Amino acid sequence: GQQVMQIPQYQHVQEGEDFTTYCNSSTTLSNIQWYKQRPGGHPVFLIQLVKSGEVKKQKRLTFQFGEAKKNSSLHITATQTTDVGTYFCAGRRGNTPLVFGKGTRLSVIA
Amino acid sequence: DVKVTQSSRYLVKRTGEKVFLECVQDMDHENMFWYRQDPGLGLRLIYFSYDVKMKEKGDIPEGYSVSREKKERFSLILESASTNQTSMYLCASSFWTGMDQPQHFGDGTRLSIL
Repeated sequence: GQQVMQIPQYQHVQEGEDFTTYCNSSTTLSNIQWYKQRPGGHPVFLIQLVKSGEVKKQKRLTFQFGEAKKNSSLHITATQTTDVGTYFCAGRRGNTPLVFGKGTRLSVIA
Repeated sequence: DVKVTQSSRYLVKRTGEKVFLECVQDMDHENMFWYRQDPGLGLRLIYFSYDVKMKEKGDIPEGYSVSREKKERFSLILESASTNQTSMYLCASSFWTGMDQPQHFGDGTRLSIL
């Protein structure tokens, strides 16, 4: 079935450092969504990217969708302790339902 | 604000029992989903439904069934619970507008099978 690979699995950063998580698919995706799950919480939708090469920003978060629509990234500038959690990407190919990556767990050391 | 309510936050059952997990959403969403979340494995889709009385298998449907008799309610059924079904179960719902809309998740049910 469709695979959406996400790396790294874990990332520990000092507060103030940048953080990036990557999402890759072997097939072209129709769209990609990003979610954040705080410890003990449930996934919460952050953003959706649809167009080839699309870049969207939410304050310190920058989301990119690759030109070939096979990869995506989430970059956080100057991490804060409030950024702690697991970040998931989820992609769709055609009429199949969204497939979630395994997530990247971010720890921020104050 | 969208509310997705799962009937139990924690549940403990015995091997062989029939287990029902209930999920209700209050936003008239067409789509509803059941996932299980295990450490290191992310979210895996068990079943989903795009309409009342409609259901489709996800990636890991074995040992599970679902029921959607009303638009707002989507039930996950473990026919004969086994220890390998101990997990966190998450329900989600979304609109369908011809393209994906955000999925809204419930708080999850942490199920332990003894």
